[in-house]
Amino acid sequence: SQQGEEDPQALSIQEGENATMNCSYKTSINNLQWYRQNSGRGLVHLILIRSNEREKHSGRLRVTLDTSKKSSSLLITASRAADTASYFCATDARLRGSTLGRLYFGRGTQLTVWP
Amino acid sequence: GAGVSQSPRYKVTKRGQDVALRCDPISGHVSLYWYRQALGQGPEFLTYFNYEAQQDKSGLPNDRFSAERPEGSISTLTIQRTEQRDSAMYRCASSFSPSATIYFGEGSWLTVV
Repeated sequence: SQQGEEDPQALSIQEGENATMNCSYKTSINNLQWYRQNSGRGLVHLILIRSNEREKHSGRLRVTLDTSKKSSSLLITASRAADTASYFCATDARLRGSTLGRLYFGRGTQLTVWP
Repeated sequence: GAGVSQSPRYKVTKRGQDVALRCDPISGHVSLYWYRQALGQGPEFLTYFNYEAQQDKSGLPNDRFSAERPEGSISTLTIQRTEQRDSAMYRCASSFSPSATIYFGEGSWLTVV
């Protein structure tokens, strides 16, 4: 079963605009990661945020984590056409007996950035 | 190597044939994972190794699927008697340790005809 669910399923914006994608999950976690899957199908790691962190930045990316609401958001500022891709959140699950490092992915958000 | 390397990138096989997919993780990475991804879905966990020990194989769909990592580096995912429903992208990933960032390879596209 998939623990993480991204919202919206699809997002279409103009270059220069900001894109915000959300992720909700069900169980306690150790960390949450965001990945990008481009048209070439490669899955690229973007950022990891630990359960004791609330916000993290990397270049034009800003990730927030609210463990009380079991949700995370990914903000891409000043978007570019090259940001067009599917974005996935992935959580591990802090469950007794669960494999540390085993990730649960959602179905992803398809972001399209128009020039 | 610089990244996780998988081969073959594309494989078309006839139903009933066995296939072997290879993964070469990032040098020095202890943990190695296999995932499967269907179109329009996120990757789903198959199995996981620390060094050569298979720690979790609960995601393998059935006993036609097996994986090994005999020397704690390269891993092979084997699918016996392939069926059309096995068609998917098979992704390998590795991490320095179980709680560290997980890096994925480009994947192996398997099509069973």
